[in-house]
Amino acid sequence: ETGVTQSPTHLIKTRGQQVTLRCSSQSGHNTVSWYQQALGQGPQFIFQYYREEENGRGNFPPRFSGLQFPNYSSELNVNALELDDSALYLCASSSPLGGYGDYGYTFGSGTRLTVV
Amino acid sequence: GENVEQHPSTLSVQEGDSAVIKCTYSDSASNYFPWYKQELGKRPQLIIDIRSNVGEKKDQRIAVTLNKTAKHFSLHITETQPEDSAVYFCAAGLSGSARQLTFGSGTQLTVLP
Repeated sequence: ETGVTQSPTHLIKTRGQQVTLRCSSQSGHNTVSWYQQALGQGPQFIFQYYREEENGRGNFPPRFSGLQFPNYSSELNVNALELDDSALYLCASSSPLGGYGDYGYTFGSGTRLTVV
Repeated sequence: GENVEQHPSTLSVQEGDSAVIKCTYSDSASNYFPWYKQELGKRPQLIIDIRSNVGEKKDQRIAVTLNKTAKHFSLHITETQPEDSAVYFCAAGLSGSARQLTFGSGTQLTVLP
């Protein structure tokens, strides 16, 4: 196991509802990034958290929001769900920022969200 | 922002043959280029990466080459085996504090026994 755990593994929601996805980072990793992977596509960067603050955001609307806690775990919240939000949501933890850049992402297994 | 294009989208090879997957990127500031393998229903796993200060990197049957001038990089798998069958994604990273990766659209590699 990689040490990055996500919950739940699968989720079905109705359009307009809200959802919270959770991620526990690998031991020693204090940076958490969230990606959305639609079926048949590559992961797309949503945002990243470092030291409990958002540290970069991709092209996603404000209804996608997040939190990072003192133990480095993180939550992804999506409000007003749309059908197009159906996707695999991946959490990735990495070691501290700095230097040349350690991108050593360790991905979790993801949460499969289906919006109906 | 960065844009990464990957081709081919599907690739079938005979076991033992070589496979090559190519990617181009748009942002000359990108300095980190990882490759991920994703098996059906599983998480992406890093298989090899290269930074912009080197032109080639090898790890057993896998190698990656980078041409900064042309802004393209390639994954080479030699002596392919059926267990190499998966979707492969290239990605490009921008230096700086955000450390986000921009992924290509993936290549479904099938190794025929």
